[in-house]
Amino acid sequence: SQKIEQNSEALNIQEGKTATLTCNYTNYSPAYLQWYRQDPGRGPVFLLLIRENEKEKRKERLKVTFDTTLKQSLFHITASQPADSATYLCALDTNDYKLSFGAGTTVTVRA
Amino acid sequence: SAVISQKPSRDICQRGTSLTIQCQVDSQVTMMFWYRQQPGQSLTLIATANQGSEATYESGFVIDKFPISRPNLTFSTLTVSNMSPEDSSIYLCSVRMGVGTEAFFGQGTRLTVV
Repeated sequence: SQKIEQNSEALNIQEGKTATLTCNYTNYSPAYLQWYRQDPGRGPVFLLLIRENEKEKRKERLKVTFDTTLKQSLFHITASQPADSATYLCALDTNDYKLSFGAGTTVTVRA
Repeated sequence: SAVISQKPSRDICQRGTSLTIQCQVDSQVTMMFWYRQQPGQSLTLIATANQGSEATYESGFVIDKFPISRPNLTFSTLTVSNMSPEDSSIYLCSVRMGVGTEAFFGQGTRLTVV
């Protein structure tokens, strides 16, 4: 069956450190992989999209890698700040226009 | 980009009643979706709202329970019918411009059924 798994545990890190989140999937062939941020009581907000033929994508302090052989994406937040505290969702984008989401990883950055 | 206005933002309803959630987009969009998000869980796609025709439902969701309307390219409603406590969840409207593009979400409707 199809499955998307993100870090099962919440991530607690010190301000200034790098947070690394994982997204593993099985029985999908995504053309794209996306990452979203969700704050309590709000809808998800898009952060980054990476294509299947791209290895890495960066946006400011965010970096995403995509390994279609390992069926895994890593999401890094460098120089983390308390304002980065949120739940981060990965989403697989297959060619049928639907997005399939992981359960998310909650990140808490301590000042 | 797209800005989505979803209402109500929250409601507490009696079991056996129905609630209609509205989703208004500030621009015309082709793809519109309804999701459910239960506490601590991922977003689950309920259906794709099709303009001018019946919605396309995902496995486990049926039209009688979740009727959807989409009269034009900027507006859709989702009704949660004959509610039970198991329907307590957050319901989210989302739009996309196409495959390989970002999704935009409404703020969500937090539904509690008592």
